[in-house]
Amino acid sequence: GAGVSQSPSNKVTEKGKDVELRCDPISGHTALYWYRQSLGQGLEFLIYFQGNSAPDKSGLPSDRFSAERTGGSVSTLTIQRTQQEDSAVYLCASSLKRTWGSYGYTFGSGTRLTVV
Amino acid sequence: SQQGEEDPQALSIQEGENATMNCSYKTSINNLQWYRQNSGRGLVHLILIRSNEREKHSGRLRVTLDTSKKSSSLLITASRAADTASYFCATENSGGYQKVTFGTGTKLQVIP
Repeated sequence: GAGVSQSPSNKVTEKGKDVELRCDPISGHTALYWYRQSLGQGLEFLIYFQGNSAPDKSGLPSDRFSAERTGGSVSTLTIQRTQQEDSAVYLCASSLKRTWGSYGYTFGSGTRLTVV
Repeated sequence: SQQGEEDPQALSIQEGENATMNCSYKTSINNLQWYRQNSGRGLVHLILIRSNEREKHSGRLRVTLDTSKKSSSLLITASRAADTASYFCATENSGGYQKVTFGTGTKLQVIP
């Protein structure tokens, strides 16, 4: 597609429920990233995909968080047993990678997750 | 932890004035990027400057990079109310898989 698409744009869930957030990157972008941004804060790195593998998942806050990417395209971030501190905007970005560095990221509009 | 730290955290100026934001970082980089974020949603890529470049222009934007001081600045000339947003610097590490790390951001308010 023309841009990075994230769904849903907003999600309200009850504490303890599982949620799935979806990211559809730009076609041909091999690198995909998930970030989390709490209200008024900077971006917190969660996980990086190159193709279908995740060389860096060091930012996932706990084992309740997992992510996968299939076909080198769509990625899903899953949060199990949601807690109120999981409330944030979850941002996905994709980029082209070259040996000398990237061109910069294209971000989706994010999913605003509210855990009540 | 954050690689980049922006300064100031918040900036308020009159329309037509210039706005300058600074970014400092800690490790060796391939490039440094600046992004704009409106209303707390997706970030928009503004400009990328490579480690072997010292200055770059794009429209009303001017970015400088001093790798010896590990710092960069973003200058927005002749600011407009529509420039009101948060601005983030991001650094791409030169080692490993070239991880990009974002700073804490500067909130710019341009008063009409």
